[in-house]
Order: sequence, then C-alpha cells, then structure tokens
Amino acid sequence: GAGVSQSPSNKVTEKGKDVELRCDPISGHTALYWYRQSLGQGLEFLIYFQGNSAPDKSGLPSDRFSAERTGGSVSTLTIQRTQQEDSAVYLCASKTGSDNSPLHFGNGTRLTVT
Amino acid sequence: GEDVEQSLFLSVREGDSSVINCTYTDSSSTYLYWYKQEPGAGLQLLTYIFSNMDMKQDQRLTVLLNKKDKHLSLRIADTQTGDSAIYFCAESLDDKIIFGKGTRLHILP
Repeated sequence: GAGVSQSPSNKVTEKGKDVELRCDPISGHTALYWYRQSLGQGLEFLIYFQGNSAPDKSGLPSDRFSAERTGGSVSTLTIQRTQQEDSAVYLCASKTGSDNSPLHFGNGTRLTVT
Repeated sequence: GEDVEQSLFLSVREGDSSVINCTYTDSSSTYLYWYKQEPGAGLQLLTYIFSNMDMKQDQRLTVLLNKKDKHLSLRIADTQTGDSAIYFCAESLDDKIIFGKGTRLHILP
C-alpha cells in the first residue's frame, strides 16, 4: 500500500475486555513504532521494533499492554483487561533504517473504553 | 532525561507569521522534527533539521535551532487558514523519537 494502514479506525469496547489493534507499515520499512495520543497529553511512546532486534518496550504503561510484529511487517498491539484510562488514539508509524528518514504515520485507531 | 516542551495554543491573524517554539532536554539528539496533524489524521512530517545546523528554510517554513539553549522554533510565513492544525516538535534519541504535546495553531480572520 501507499501508506501506513491501521485497523480498525474506531473501536468501542467494554471495560475488562481485550482488544487488538493492527498496523500494516509501508512495505520495506524496517522500523515500526506505536504511540498513544490522549487529550492534552501529546504523543506517548509505547514500543519500537527495528528489524529482527528485540523491541524497545520501555514505553508500555503496564503489563496489560503487549505488541508483536510478525515477519518483520504487520504489527498487533494488544491491550488486555481494558480500563477507561486506556481510551485514546493509538498511532502506528514506520520508517526506513536511515537516521534521518522521517516517520510515516497511519491515521490511528480511536479506542473508547466504556 | 527525555522531555520536549511546547506551548499548547497559538492564535495568529491570517497573513501574519506564526512562530511555534519548542525546548528539548537531551543534547545528544541528532535530528529535530516538526510534524503537522490535521483533524482526524495522522502526523505528517513538515521539516527536520540536523543538530549541527542552525537554520533551515523550505518555502514558507523556517526552522531555527539554538543548540546551546536546546531551543527549536518553526516560523510559518504568510499564515493561511490551511495552516490551522496541531504542530508537534520531536527529537530523535538513538532510534527513539520523542514528541512534545503539540501546539494548536488557530488562524484568526
């Protein structure tokens, strides 16, 4: 595809349920990032994948959050036992391995936990 | 530490220049970026500057970097209604890219 694709675009779930958010990066991009955007909080770094290296999980807010990237391409962010404070827009971005290459963002998944 | 600070709001009259300011904390940042986010969309890269540069100009956009003060600014000349958006400053630290909270630019008629 031409850009980073995220699905679903909107997700409403009940507190306590698990959700999976999907990201299809730009073909050939080796680096993939997940961010969370909450009202008034800017972009919060969650996790970063680069090639076959171990991911940088330092931004994950709790052990309810996990992510994987299969085959170096598609990534899934999973939130278990969702809480109301998990409501936010979850943005995925990808880039090539070059230092100065920009991040290309998807349009995000808006998660609402009721 | 990793922290990028920017003011949350800016109002500018159409046709005037907009200046959005940002401060960052890590002097080892290699690249600094400005991203634009329009409603309902992801972030779009506007411009970036390498840390050994002082200034970069690209059409209506001018980026100024004061590395000593860890201060970055984005100037938009002849601001138009289409410039209304949230502007994010970001710094790269190794492979991690850290964003500020964003400045919402409001254009007055």
